[in-house]
Amino acid sequence: GAVVSQHPSRVICKSGTSVKIECRSLDFQATTMFWYRQFPKQSLMLMATSNEGSKATYEQGVEKDKFLINHASLTLSTLTVTSAHPEDSSFYICSATARTGKSGYTFGSGTRLTVV
Amino acid sequence: GENVEQHPSTLSVQEGDSAVIKCTYSDSASNYFPWYKQELGKGPQLIIDIRSNVGEKKDQRIAVTLNKTAKHFSLHITETQPEDSAVYFCAASKTSGTYKYIFGTGTRLKVLA
Repeated sequence: GAVVSQHPSRVICKSGTSVKIECRSLDFQATTMFWYRQFPKQSLMLMATSNEGSKATYEQGVEKDKFLINHASLTLSTLTVTSAHPEDSSFYICSATARTGKSGYTFGSGTRLTVV
Repeated sequence: GENVEQHPSTLSVQEGDSAVIKCTYSDSASNYFPWYKQELGKGPQLIIDIRSNVGEKKDQRIAVTLNKTAKHFSLHITETQPEDSAVYFCAASKTSGTYKYIFGTGTRLKVLA
């Protein structure tokens, strides 16, 4: 089945630094990847939609310059949280689809970001 | 805008009993409805899905029903087991366009042994 690998699973960084999270589709080509943020005991909030080779489409209220998304290949998308602050601490999850119309998204295992 | 309501937010059942989670969507153009199970600290896992041309789908102890007229769909888990305890999310999507999912707010299911 479709597998999406997300790294790192946990990261702690200091305020003001940047953190990069990787999302890889291991056994299929992901034409579209999605990045979500999830606060404790809440639902998934879509941050942006990432299409290979083009600029990401950000949801309203999500700062493009703070959450940089790069979908450089059909198997890799990265989310970089720039100049991180404690309020950026959250669980970030990616998902990917091959747009075959036969199945839904496959989610990564998530990244717990803690900014101290 | 597009919206998916999910109820209940928490659900406790005794082991062996059935659990039902209900969702209502607002966009009548939605035609794909997946259900995800999320365990603590992990990403969501697809457990079952249904398309709008089908009214019911079953996979062992899990079933999903869809009422397009009422824009309701439900997850049914029979013979619940402690390992079913998790947070369950419904979602609605259109298979055309951006494939963006609209997620429900989640249901925390506890199966009591």
